[in-house]
Amino acid sequence: ILNVEQSPQSLHVQEGDSTNFTCSFPSSNFYALHWYRWETAKSPEALFVMTLNGDEKKKGRISATLNTKEGYSYLYIKGSQPEDSATYLCAFMEYGNKLVFGAGTILRVKS
Amino acid sequence: EAGVAQSPRYKIIEKRQSVAFWCNPISGHATLYWYQQILGQGPKLLIQFQNNGVVDDSQLPKDRFSAERLKGVDSTLKIQPAKLEDSAVYLCASSLVAGAVNTIYFGEGSWLTVV
Repeated sequence: ILNVEQSPQSLHVQEGDSTNFTCSFPSSNFYALHWYRWETAKSPEALFVMTLNGDEKKKGRISATLNTKEGYSYLYIKGSQPEDSATYLCAFMEYGNKLVFGAGTILRVKS
Repeated sequence: EAGVAQSPRYKIIEKRQSVAFWCNPISGHATLYWYQQILGQGPKLLIQFQNNGVVDDSQLPKDRFSAERLKGVDSTLKIQPAKLEDSAVYLCASSLVAGAVNTIYFGEGSWLTVV
């Protein structure tokens, strides 16, 4: 059974703080790593799909890195804003298999 | 572009009753997924369709859950009879084709409470 771990479980930061979360996944049979943002009462929104070791992706103030050899990905948010408050999910895919999601990191940004 | 549509958004039923959820994927998307997300856990794949054929239903509790995708477009997920542990968000998602680098687009979910 594949195990995808996310840490921390939840995070409370002040507006303007920078923050980062971790997604750990099996380092064997890696095919892709997906990051999603899920705001309450909305649909999960795809942030990044990462496939190559050493990949770095950026979307506005949010960026992500990928290390497939050691089995982790970091998501960074620079200068957090209240609208960044959401659950951030990562999902791992083995070659030829389905996405397995982590339990998510809940981010709350106080203004 | 219209997103993935789901209904109903919220449903409260008593245990042993039945419930059905409907999903309309993004136009042209061949792959459709149903996920179950229980509070505190990550979404878990229940069933995946490629057009109107089932690709993976290994985690679907087939004694009480059923799903169909007639004509390869809309899909329904049914639970009969419901148990308390079925309380969850049921997310429908779609992608152009199945594959790791394809973005999967989610609906807003159907929130089920079984009392």
